[in-house]
Amino acid sequence: GAGVSQSPRYKVAKRGQDVALRCDPISGHVSLFWYQQALGQGPEFLTYFQNEAQLDKSGLPSDRFFAERPEGSVSTLKIQRTQQEDSAVYLCASSRTGHQPQHFGDGTRLSIL
Amino acid sequence: EDKVVQSPLSLVVHEGDTVTLNCSYEVTNFRSLLWYKQEKKAPTFLFMLTSSGIEKKSGRLSSILDKKELFSILNITATQTGDSAVYLCAVDNDMRFGAGTRLTVKP
Repeated sequence: GAGVSQSPRYKVAKRGQDVALRCDPISGHVSLFWYQQALGQGPEFLTYFQNEAQLDKSGLPSDRFFAERPEGSVSTLKIQRTQQEDSAVYLCASSRTGHQPQHFGDGTRLSIL
Repeated sequence: EDKVVQSPLSLVVHEGDTVTLNCSYEVTNFRSLLWYKQEKKAPTFLFMLTSSGIEKKSGRLSSILDKKELFSILNITATQTGDSAVYLCAVDNDMRFGAGTRLTVKP
């Protein structure tokens, strides 16, 4: 597609539920990143893929967070047993190679009740 | 601990004013510094800076990096209401972003 596509745009879940957020990167982009952005803050790095390999997951806040990119294209960020503090906008970005410049999706706004 | 600090956190100006946004950093293994503009949704890329003292320019926006003093500035001249946004600075070592500067340009 023309840009990075994320779905759903909005997700409301009850505390304790599992959620899955999807990212479709720009076609041919090797690198894919996930960020968490709290209100009024800059994006916080979560994890980075190069093709299907997850090269850095140091930003994942707990073992409830899991990301995959099995075929080196679409990626899914899964959050298990959601907590209220997981409420944020989750941004996905992709780049042709290496780290920069990245093209961001519009994000998924996750609200945990 | 690595950090990226932006200042001011918010700024209100009138159309036609010139603004300077600041980004200072303390990171290991610095590779590049990037500026993004974030309006309602996705951050959009503005500049990538890797070398000190070389100004990057795009229309009314320009940016420069000082690797000795560990900071960058983003200048916007003749501001317009469409420049209202959050401006984010990021350092490409561990993809660390600053908190952003919220710029509001009043007509």
